[in-house]
Amino acid sequence: DIQMTQSPSSLSASVGDRVTITCRASQTINNYLNWYQQHPGKAPKLLIFTASSLQSGVPSRFSGSGSGTDFTLTISSLQPEDFATYYCQQSYSTPRTFGQGTKLELK
Amino acid sequence: QVHLQESGPGLVKPSETLSLTCTVSGGSISSYYWSWIRQSPGKGLEWIGFFYHSGGTNYNPSLESRVTISIDTSKNHCSLNLNSVTAADTAVYYCASGGSGYHHPFTSWGQGILVTVSS
Repeated sequence: DIQMTQSPSSLSASVGDRVTITCRASQTINNYLNWYQQHPGKAPKLLIFTASSLQSGVPSRFSGSGSGTDFTLTISSLQPEDFATYYCQQSYSTPRTFGQGTKLELK
Repeated sequence: QVHLQESGPGLVKPSETLSLTCTVSGGSISSYYWSWIRQSPGKGLEWIGFFYHSGGTNYNPSLESRVTISIDTSKNHCSLNLNSVTAADTAVYYCASGGSGYHHPFTSWGQGILVTVSS
């Protein structure tokens, strides 16, 4: 199985801050890396697919980059609705695997 | 974008079979890949497996001996069966889809259904 490791596991930030979350795969996954946002009690929501493509309807303050094994999700200016948990997920091979999550909290 | 809705019992006894249905609207069940994903309370996300449009399945090796995913084209349903359940199978179960390509992301998710395994 491909292991996905996110850092940090939690992050405190303020509205307006720029934040970056990283995700590392245990082997190369080309650019088959997706990012999701999950609010408590809700299903995950796709933000970014194939490392850097913005899903339709997702605000442009979200961006993704990387290829191979190292990837980042950046939120350029945090909004109140962005405080949630973020997961990366590889779709290079099966079994599909997710990172352990990064909980973004209000400072 | 398709709409997905999970349904089924919220309580299953240990050693019995967990059976859930995902009703698909706004798209054909005969297209795309259909996945089941679960999330244990306070834990991360675990992919269970998928059924794909050519009629095949692919399961997580950690669950493969106990899981079956199938579709019913007449009802536009995708079903999950997980047998011999234990308390470790207590989780929110989601169905998800994301297109017809192998490397698809999960673009559409159901709201999720909490299944508790307890006697």
